[in-house]
Amino acid sequence: DGGITQSPKYLFRKEGQNVTLSCEQNLNHDAMYWYRQDPGQGLRLIYYSQIVNDFQKGDIAEGYSVSREKKESFPLTVTSAQKNPTAFYLCASSIVGNDYNEQFFGPGTRLTVL
Amino acid sequence: KNQVEQSPQSLIILEGKNCTLQCNYTVSPFSNLRWYKQDTGRGPVSLTIMTFSENTKSNGRYTATLDADTKQSSLHITASQLSDSASYICVVSARKQAGTALIFGKGTTLSVSS
Repeated sequence: DGGITQSPKYLFRKEGQNVTLSCEQNLNHDAMYWYRQDPGQGLRLIYYSQIVNDFQKGDIAEGYSVSREKKESFPLTVTSAQKNPTAFYLCASSIVGNDYNEQFFGPGTRLTVL
Repeated sequence: KNQVEQSPQSLIILEGKNCTLQCNYTVSPFSNLRWYKQDTGRGPVSLTIMTFSENTKSNGRYTATLDADTKQSSLHITASQLSDSASYICVVSARKQAGTALIFGKGTTLSVSS
């Protein structure tokens, strides 16, 4: 998991509640990413950020929000507008400007809506 | 449309046997291809990364090949161990004006039994 931590590991939410997933990295990476993983599907990009105070929508940003106030932190808020939030959420980070652009992943947070 | 297709979807082998996982892609313009191993409930961990000019790359008992002409890659696992039981994800990176975009396959679930 190499320097990226996510918390909590498991999260339960009632319908209509907003929840925030934490992601912290000590790899000094400029770029950070949030993905959603559903059974039998590939990872889908929610949001990404290549620099502090800037972030971009990914393929499935609706119902999610992020902030990037510090280089080390990239929290994801799952809002009540997200219709089907139960999933496994993965945070990743990478350096910027490298052809390989290898992304290092955190251990994930499993969110369940009750 | 950029796509990554993996086969088989799942595979069961006996401990000590070899196996090969396949990845076909239609991604353009191609930047690089990587294989990740994801244990259940954990984040993916990189096994290999190959650029256009690299045909093969090894990481211990894992050997990845790339045929950029046919847009195919394979991951060969030698002398499988119980700890190889995991999902193996093929990820292709496409060059974009603002950097690169990752296209994830759905993964092959490998089960190694004793």
